[in-house]
Amino acid sequence: GAVVSQHPSRVICKSGTSVKIECRSLDFQATTMFWYRQFPKQSLMLMATSNEGSKATYEQGVEKDKFLINHASLTLSTLTVTSAHPEDSSFYICSARGQFNEKLFFGSGTQLSVL
Amino acid sequence: AQSVSQHNHHVILSEAASLELGCNYSYGGTVNLFWYVQYPGQHLQLLLKYFSGDPLVKGIKGFEAEFIKSKFSFNLRKPSVQWSDTAEYFCAVNEISGNTPLVFGKGTRLSVIA
Repeated sequence: GAVVSQHPSRVICKSGTSVKIECRSLDFQATTMFWYRQFPKQSLMLMATSNEGSKATYEQGVEKDKFLINHASLTLSTLTVTSAHPEDSSFYICSARGQFNEKLFFGSGTQLSVL
Repeated sequence: AQSVSQHNHHVILSEAASLELGCNYSYGGTVNLFWYVQYPGQHLQLLLKYFSGDPLVKGIKGFEAEFIKSKFSFNLRKPSVQWSDTAEYFCAVNEISGNTPLVFGKGTRLSVIA
């Protein structure tokens, strides 16, 4: 079946640094990718939707200048958390969907801890 | 906007007990419905899905869910749970018109004790 690879799985960084998270679709072309975050004991919350070759659409309350999303190819989307702060510590998950496939495939998630 | 409600935050069952997790959604149009499971330390996995046809859907590991359109519900069931079913279960919905993401419920934690 389709696989979505997400890296890194865990990252610990100092406050003020930037962190990049990659999400790759390994055997299909992901025309759409979604980025979610999950705080402890809460459900997944959609952060943004990215379509290949166009600007991401951010959900209300999500700062686009802080969470930079790039979807430059059909197999790769990146989320960069710029100038990370402790309140950004969370579990980030990407999901991808191909043009003719309604099923969403999820990455394995990235646990970000900002000290 | 769509919303998905999962009624139970934490369910504790003994092994062999029957399970039913509630899920209701708000959207009135045609939807796709999913149950995802997240085992401790692992990523989300698709448990089962409903797109159309038979409203009683069979999934992996003995799980099933029934879509009741009139009740806007998609409850998850399993006749006899096992310790290995301990996990977080998420119901999710997306409308089939347009390129929309999944809307997730808050999740239900299931703890199965011996």
